[in-house]
Amino acid sequence: QVHLVESGGGVVQPGRSLRLSCTASGFTFSDFGMHWVRQAPGKGLEWVAVISYDGVTKFYGDSVKGRFTISRDNSKNTLYLQMNSVRADDRAVYYCAKVGSRSSGHYFDHWGQGTLVTVSS
Amino acid sequence: DIQMTQSPSSVSASMGDRVTITCRASQGIGRWLAWYQQRPGKAPNLLIYPASSLQSGVPSRFSGSGSGTDFTLTISSLQPEDFATYYCQQTTSVPFTFGQGTRLEIK
Repeated sequence: QVHLVESGGGVVQPGRSLRLSCTASGFTFSDFGMHWVRQAPGKGLEWVAVISYDGVTKFYGDSVKGRFTISRDNSKNTLYLQMNSVRADDRAVYYCAKVGSRSSGHYFDHWGQGTLVTVSS
Repeated sequence: DIQMTQSPSSVSASMGDRVTITCRASQGIGRWLAWYQQRPGKAPNLLIYPASSLQSGVPSRFSGSGSGTDFTLTISSLQPEDFATYYCQQTTSVPFTFGQGTRLEIK
């Protein structure tokens, strides 16, 4: 059974950094691309970043480009999101999500429960 | 970027009603469209992908159709657990944009 567990959320001051983690189990982690998706309180879903199964290819949404870095450690079955220069509008629940297939587009067949990032001085 | 526009933004309906939600892409995406359901306080759950293929375990009252730029999600006979927010998402190109969501409420 696929299980994704995010951690690392919390309160961060504007301009500071935070690293989120997502620990995966129940599937061969190194076979699948992984994404981060966020949701501001009361708002819709916003795609944040993607990393390929081997960690080589990465893409970012415009709102986080240059500030956030996605990475993975396949030996630890863990996905990361390094958040630098955090802004007030980064406040959201951050979900990690698993790609459903390596060859059929970037859809998400499993999601974590989310971790809340709050930005406050 | 591909923009995804859902309509309506919210809809009120009664148990047993048939409801249709529309999603329009700003450019053609073939059939590479996903539908998700999100209940309050929970992570989204994949219902349909691509376009019209029901995921395992999803009730048959859910159906999807469309290709190119216009897609629909239909719930044939609303059940209590269907009252939630629904999102479409294009899966073809970065950024993998979502629609703004359709909130389905009990009338």
